[in-house]
Amino acid sequence: DTGVSQDPRHKITKRGQNVTFRCDPISEHNRLYWYRQTLGQGPEFLTYFQNEAQLEKSRLLSDRFSAERPKGSFSTLEIQRTEQGDSAMYLCASSFGTGGRYSAGELFFGEGSRLTVL
Amino acid sequence: GENVEQHPSTLSVQEGDSAVIKCTYSDSASNYFPWYKQELGKRPQLIIDIRSNVGEKKDQRIAVTLNKTAKHFSLHITETQPEDSAVYFCAALTGANNLFFGTGTRLTVIP
Repeated sequence: DTGVSQDPRHKITKRGQNVTFRCDPISEHNRLYWYRQTLGQGPEFLTYFQNEAQLEKSRLLSDRFSAERPKGSFSTLEIQRTEQGDSAMYLCASSFGTGGRYSAGELFFGEGSRLTVL
Repeated sequence: GENVEQHPSTLSVQEGDSAVIKCTYSDSASNYFPWYKQELGKRPQLIIDIRSNVGEKKDQRIAVTLNKTAKHFSLHITETQPEDSAVYFCAALTGANNLFFGTGTRLTVIP
């Protein structure tokens, strides 16, 4: 296992089109996170899965965004009717946690999927 | 959700000097505080972390301190080297196991 992988690495699309990004986490990790990062900013939380359950969604995530993790393994992030403001790097990260108070594990990030909306 | 504030946004130091980056958080239930280094065009990578049952942790030239009462934590880099130049992010993991990031500090080490 070589770590978290994301596909595609780059996506250029026209405004109004739909795009989908895929994330394959480290195989034994039960937690998966999606973040959005724009130039000069920190990663902004979008959503988080524990196994196949989507536990939290950011207010940043409008109705045009949807994420799934159908079998608790890979995840997809879909953006419908893209807007220029959606242009950003979309980062996926995974970790393993047992649920205990001091059990949080390191988040490992993928290389990201860079979206450019023209 | 959690609100993590980080400062300074930019920091320049001479090679060999120390660098300190400070963060505050709002959620008293947060219990895990990692620091990530991100080089240009690359993914964030963990450099050190601290849990809320510990006040200080050190790993070679890097140390992190945590003050739970004041809800702030700091990164200390000693004997800085040019390869330490990067953007550094602090983060806080909430009781719901969600990780929120600060806005980043661009560190420049001047040879």
